[in-house]
Amino acid sequence: QSALTQPASVSGSPGQSITISCTGSSSDIGVYNYVSWYQHHPGKAPKLIIYDVNKRPSGVSDRFSGSKYGNTASLTISGLQAEDEANYYCSSYTTSNTFAVRFGGGTKLTVL
Amino acid sequence: EVQLVESGGGLIQPGGSLRLSCAASGFTVSSNHMGWARQAPGKGLEWISLINYGGSTYSAQSVKGRFTISRDNSKNTVSLQMNSLRAEDTAVYYCARLDSSSATYFDYWGQGTLVTVSS
Repeated sequence: QSALTQPASVSGSPGQSITISCTGSSSDIGVYNYVSWYQHHPGKAPKLIIYDVNKRPSGVSDRFSGSKYGNTASLTISGLQAEDEANYYCSSYTTSNTFAVRFGGGTKLTVL
Repeated sequence: EVQLVESGGGLIQPGGSLRLSCAASGFTVSSNHMGWARQAPGKGLEWISLINYGGSTYSAQSVKGRFTISRDNSKNTVSLQMNSLRAEDTAVYYCARLDSSSATYFDYWGQGTLVTVSS
């Protein structure tokens, strides 16, 4: 199964907003509202920051927001901070005869 | 506090076997869905195996028939037995807990353990 499509890298200056896209298909993002996003600092445990398209777990900053339109989901980070520099992965539940989630290839966010 | 700590990674020759372990704390593995995902060098994340709270297991096609997930309720651990390892199995392997409501996202992850398959 192919991965969801994300840009390899994005960048922004402190205080700015950036958006990371995640493109899937009618078998995953297009049909399920089960999109999640993870922040991953290398060498550390990935951290859930968005689930069910636009919900934030307790303790996650409201600077992180998610949305979806058609087969594409998006993660927006507003008021960029240095600590936001990390890799970001999207994920979606996908149609399958068994359990299956599909991840994106990851996006490296650089805070300039 | 929920914590997941993986162990057992290392260098292994092609065709060999390795067993990864994930020690959980702050919750009970037998009451949750648990899974393994991996990240190969330069690649994105890939879900590979899941065991639900009922004990049913599921595997991605890429590892089906070679990898087996299991759990030890007495030790509160989840394991991944990896057989017939290939060079393309080289990756950082993560243990993660699946959310208990919709079972569609991983709410806690470990830091990962590196598996290198090479002669």
